[in-house]
Amino acid sequence: GAVVSQHPSRVICKSGTSVKIECRSLDFQATTMFWYRQFPKQSLMLMATSNEGSKATYEQGVEKDKFLINHASLTLSTLTVTSAHPEDSSFYICSAIIPEGGADTQYFGPGTRLTVL
Amino acid sequence: AQSVTQPDIHITVSEGASLELRCNYSYGATPYLFWYVQSPGQGLQLLLKYFSGDTLVQGIKGFEAEFKRSQSSFNLRKPSVHWSDAAEYFCAVSDYNNNDMRFGAGTRLTVKP
Repeated sequence: GAVVSQHPSRVICKSGTSVKIECRSLDFQATTMFWYRQFPKQSLMLMATSNEGSKATYEQGVEKDKFLINHASLTLSTLTVTSAHPEDSSFYICSAIIPEGGADTQYFGPGTRLTVL
Repeated sequence: AQSVTQPDIHITVSEGASLELRCNYSYGATPYLFWYVQSPGQGLQLLLKYFSGDTLVQGIKGFEAEFKRSQSSFNLRKPSVHWSDAAEYFCAVSDYNNNDMRFGAGTRLTVKP
């Protein structure tokens, strides 16, 4: 079954509003989660690494003031898209690391489709 | 920096035929390699992974992949494709801690009846 959930699965908002996306690890604690962005027919691009209890680490070119990440507990990370604009419309996917068999593996959530009008 | 190349953007195979999806990687240290599958509008599902040991790894849904260090490749194979295998397939490489995962551009698989 799914080990990582995301909510909502789909959201439509007006330009200028803020949208919060939740990523939860189910039945395990995730000290590290990742947020990715995927444009249509393209691969995943890592946006940031979310660390429980500390500031997120953002990839080059990702605006940290626009994409706010909060990892307040070991099972929840949130991504808030502030003052959203149509160019922020995309598919956002989170993942969490599960230690397995001597090395870590990322498991992905089902994704959130954001449409900004 | 590590990178992944999936040379085939789109592949079409007939149902029941064999499948091989190519993946080449560039990585300075020991690579940790993954194949994920994504259905339209869905997240990614892990098919299989290679960390060490036997270079032929078995995954879910009848998939397997072979790690060839000399060719820097990690090709995905399936002996007989089913219509439900139609999806986007991503190869990925990361370090030991899985903290810096890089994805290939993906290969879209179409299955003909």
